[in-house]
Amino acid sequence: LAKTTQPISMDSYEGQEVNITCSHNNIATNDYITWYQQFPSQGPRFIIQGYKTKVTNEVASLFIPADRKSSTLSLPRVSLSDTAVYYCLVGTGGGNKLTFGTGTQLKVEL
Amino acid sequence: GAVVSQHPSRVICKSGTSVKIECRSLDFQATTMFWYRQFPKQSLMLMATSNEGSKATYEQGVEKDKFLINHASLTLSTLTVTSAHPEDSSFYICSAITDGMNTEAFFGQGTRLTVV
Repeated sequence: LAKTTQPISMDSYEGQEVNITCSHNNIATNDYITWYQQFPSQGPRFIIQGYKTKVTNEVASLFIPADRKSSTLSLPRVSLSDTAVYYCLVGTGGGNKLTFGTGTQLKVEL
Repeated sequence: GAVVSQHPSRVICKSGTSVKIECRSLDFQATTMFWYRQFPKQSLMLMATSNEGSKATYEQGVEKDKFLINHASLTLSTLTVTSAHPEDSSFYICSAITDGMNTEAFFGQGTRLTVV
């Protein structure tokens, strides 16, 4: 399984764009990159998933360079409610297990 | 997205008793379910992987006789913490995926277990 490395924590202010980068140097050809958000005492919530290039949905964008050894989650104009832990996971589909890394604690202030 | 329901959300039990946690996929068939535990301010730690109709695969260091997992149907998996001790107090989370999906797993809301 590809191991992921993320910053332990990040601070931001409301209205700013936040970019969280995840390193996954050993990503396999069939691996997808998925980001989850977790609030205290809740299960993780899916944010976005991609394989290569750029993916955008209503809440975030995911940038993946050509070598796929890293990825960047971009949160536009964050608010206080975006304060959470963000996890980057890599893996394939089917029954393959998902292993969580340390995650990034994002703190958004006024 | 798909919904995974976990029950109960919070439970307190006495040392030595057993507690069962249920994980249900409400609108899809979960061929594989995962069980995690999470201590305060730590990441999720995978405990076991269960496939419908077969025995669960436990991660190294997880006692299979203490954490009994049953995945009897495509919509239900249960985790039973047997002979619970205070050190088993933790946040337990299940997730579910189905064949044909990529790695987008759907997570339950978690169960806060407190053993007193």
